[in-house]
Amino acid sequence: EADIYQTPRYLVIGTGKKITLECSQTMGHDKMYWYQQDPGMELHLIHYSYGVNSTEKGDLSSESTVSRIRTEHFPLTLESARPSHTSQYLCASSLAGGPGNEQFFGPGTRLTVL
Amino acid sequence: AQKITQTQPGMFVQEKEAVTLDCTYDTSDQSYGLFWYKQPSSGEMIFLIYQGSYDEQNATEGRYSLNFQKARKSANLVISDSHLGDSAMYFCAMRAGSARQLTFGSGTQLTVLP
Repeated sequence: EADIYQTPRYLVIGTGKKITLECSQTMGHDKMYWYQQDPGMELHLIHYSYGVNSTEKGDLSSESTVSRIRTEHFPLTLESARPSHTSQYLCASSLAGGPGNEQFFGPGTRLTVL
Repeated sequence: AQKITQTQPGMFVQEKEAVTLDCTYDTSDQSYGLFWYKQPSSGEMIFLIYQGSYDEQNATEGRYSLNFQKARKSANLVISDSHLGDSAMYFCAMRAGSARQLTFGSGTQLTVLP
């Protein structure tokens, strides 16, 4: 069973608020990822981290930002939430970056911006 | 660039029967990994099975098997003895070469009928 956690699981918030979605893993994985998924659609990478103090933007443009100060922690922040940010956000981690390395996913955060 | 195609938006299967979910992929890399994930309505992504591009035998994990046809670039998931709890969205994904992330297909919604 994967040890990767996301909080909150569900968040409903008003436009303009600052939010932080938390993601933590206890597996000691170097690689961590944030994916965005609209209902019934495929996942798109929005942020990637190779390790501590190393982050990159993914293929899908996102107004969110991330930080990686500790190996186990990879929070995502939206400075000013908008209705277009309504989506599910999934955090994942993997031991290494090769083709055969499974990504373990957290339970996701379903964000609704009113 | 990598691409995953799942052509079945929805599938129905009778309980206890087998079902095949289709997946084709496209990549110019020789080394790649193919994954299947299950996503129940609760939203989490559950890893089911992995096939490496150099694996000569089809992967199997309990009731799940992967029908890997390299020349046709297909990686179909076969679920045998379907249970009601198998009703979920199923995503095929690939990680090729040194790619950072998994590339996902659009998913297939499987419904198991009693």
